[in-house]
Amino acid sequence: DIQMTQSPSTLSASVGDRVTITCRASQSISRWLAWYQQKPGKAPKLLIYKASTLESGVPSRFSGSGSGTEFTLTISSLQPDDFATYYCQQYDGLWTFGQGTKVLIK
Amino acid sequence: QVHLVQSGAEVKKPGASVNVSCKASGYNFTSYYIHWVRQAPGQGLDWMGTINPAGGSTKYAQNFQDRVTMTRDRSTSTVYMELRSLRSADTAVYYCAKGGFCSGGTCYSAPFDYWGQGSLVTVSS
Repeated sequence: DIQMTQSPSTLSASVGDRVTITCRASQSISRWLAWYQQKPGKAPKLLIYKASTLESGVPSRFSGSGSGTEFTLTISSLQPDDFATYYCQQYDGLWTFGQGTKVLIK
Repeated sequence: QVHLVQSGAEVKKPGASVNVSCKASGYNFTSYYIHWVRQAPGQGLDWMGTINPAGGSTKYAQNFQDRVTMTRDRSTSTVYMELRSLRSADTAVYYCAKGGFCSGGTCYSAPFDYWGQGSLVTVSS
């Protein structure tokens, strides 16, 4: 099974900060990687797929990059609505999620 | 518009089984895979398995394959997930999600673009 490792597990940031979350795959997954945002009590929301393609309606401050085994999600200027937990997911083989990164208000 | 509507909360005793349903609308039900993902309290997302509604074929995660069965009813565009031999560690919110599609006899993996609202399953004696 392909394992996904996210870092950091939590991060504290302020509104306006640039935030980067990293996701590593245990083997190459090409660009078959997605990012999700989840708020408490809600289902996850797809933000990015195929490593860097923004889902329709997602603000352009979100961006993704990477290929192979290393990927990043960047929020260029953190907004109040962005405080949430973010998950990466590979869909090259079966489907696996990273353990999540919680973005907290500093 | 796409909707996935799940059945309500359940309370079960250890050793029992639970059946959660997911009714799809707003798209061609047989063209897209439905997945099940669970989230224990305060924990991350755990992929359980998937079903191809067209033919009913399934793939299960290794952690669940001995205890889970996914089925579908094409007449009502509904997918079912049964989890057996419940234990307290199965207390979680269970989500269905749409992702992956088949076209011209070829199936393609994809992320999950629509999710159900979640069904809380509580296992307690």
